[in-house]
Amino acid sequence: SQTIHQWPATLVQPVGSPLSLECTVEGTSNPNLYWYRQAAGRGLQLLFYSVGIGQISSEVPQNLSASRPQDRQFILSSKKLLLSDSGFYLCAWSPQGIQETQYFGPGTRLLVL
Amino acid sequence: AQTVTQSQPEMSVQEAETVTLSCTYDTSENNYYLFWYKQPPSRQMILVIRQEAYKQQNATENRFSVNFQKAAKSFSLKISDSQLGDTAMYFCAFMKHGNDMRFGAGTRLTVKP
Repeated sequence: SQTIHQWPATLVQPVGSPLSLECTVEGTSNPNLYWYRQAAGRGLQLLFYSVGIGQISSEVPQNLSASRPQDRQFILSSKKLLLSDSGFYLCAWSPQGIQETQYFGPGTRLLVL
Repeated sequence: AQTVTQSQPEMSVQEAETVTLSCTYDTSENNYYLFWYKQPPSRQMILVIRQEAYKQQNATENRFSVNFQKAAKSFSLKISDSQLGDTAMYFCAFMKHGNDMRFGAGTRLTVKP
């Protein structure tokens, strides 16, 4: 069966510091991968998605970037965090193809102070 | 742009009773997919049910069923025999083509003993 991991689970960072959140998927090959952000009390906002290694699509211009160095690894980064980057970050995967159900990881809670 | 509207920010139901959560969406597409996700206090997003727009039959998963009204662009979730473990945020989501999924703002459901 497939599993998705995210770490860290919780992160507190000062403004201006760098960020690296990692997501890995097990039990499948060449998945589509996604990064979402959820602000407090809100729905999910798609940030990035990837259909293959090195292929990243950005949905929202922002202070963040994403990379996919390996087939089942998806990384969310920032060079300098802003207060507005605080939130809950969810990684998701879907089987290769289109209009497939997305399955979510446990999420990372990021607090920028 | 596709929008998903959940008009009920909060709802409550007595244990063992039935509750219906509302969702409407706006699209000019004919082929698309609709989802309900559950987010318990752990904040991990869990797929509850999925509906393909080309299917007239409403999807069901055990105690969860949907009322899909394509012409009205309505997709409500019915939870029968509510259990305490059903307490969570519920998100309605729309996917047209590719892997672009849009979420509503969510409905907070509380099941009371």
